[in-house]
Amino acid sequence: DTEVTQTPKHLVMGMTNKKSLKCEQHMGHRAMYWYKQKAKKPPELMFVYSYEKLSINESVPSRFSPECPNSSLLNLHLHALQPEDSALYLCASSHTTVGRETQYFGPGTRLLVL
Amino acid sequence: AQRVTQPEKLLSVFKGAPVELKCNYSYSGSPELFWYVQYSRQRLQLLLRHISRESIKGFTADLNKGETSFHLKKPFAQEEDSAMYYCALTAPGYSTLTFGKGTMLLVSP
Repeated sequence: DTEVTQTPKHLVMGMTNKKSLKCEQHMGHRAMYWYKQKAKKPPELMFVYSYEKLSINESVPSRFSPECPNSSLLNLHLHALQPEDSALYLCASSHTTVGRETQYFGPGTRLLVL
Repeated sequence: AQRVTQPEKLLSVFKGAPVELKCNYSYSGSPELFWYVQYSRQRLQLLLRHISRESIKGFTADLNKGETSFHLKKPFAQEEDSAMYYCALTAPGYSTLTFGKGTMLLVSP
């Protein structure tokens, strides 16, 4: 399996809801990433996990809570989001966070916050 | 701080015409440079990276350290090349990507 998968593909939630995004890879990669991408803009890095430990948090609001339960899975828990959080959320993985690694991206979850 | 600049938001060409998507970077050391492509409603995917020196789908890119550029070129554009193209870099020892703002390439018949 050489792909990064993400579920759900689409998500609509209210500002008081709690939901989770899921990302999975079976390429043996030990680095996983969450990005936020607004329309016609480049991806913006949110979080980096290295060997299941959070290594980078790009000053993301606490209403976004990442979790890496094992080396293949990455979750993003969402709570009390704002309409401006509506975006495409991308997951990516690479072999490690050290060195000149290629990142492989998932198809994304398109989130709409009402 | 590292920065990637793609000066063109939109590049429109006719099928069969040559294409050059510009990318300039700012970094004091020796970065790794990438081109990623995002076709409509598809995932962001790696097109090529300078260290591998490959030609993918007819595209090539040469790293010019003197001009700090990594322009993407193709001699004859195809309609299926229409997509958003992002230039990106990583610093040595790190895998976090710094993206440019992207260039939308439209190839008309």
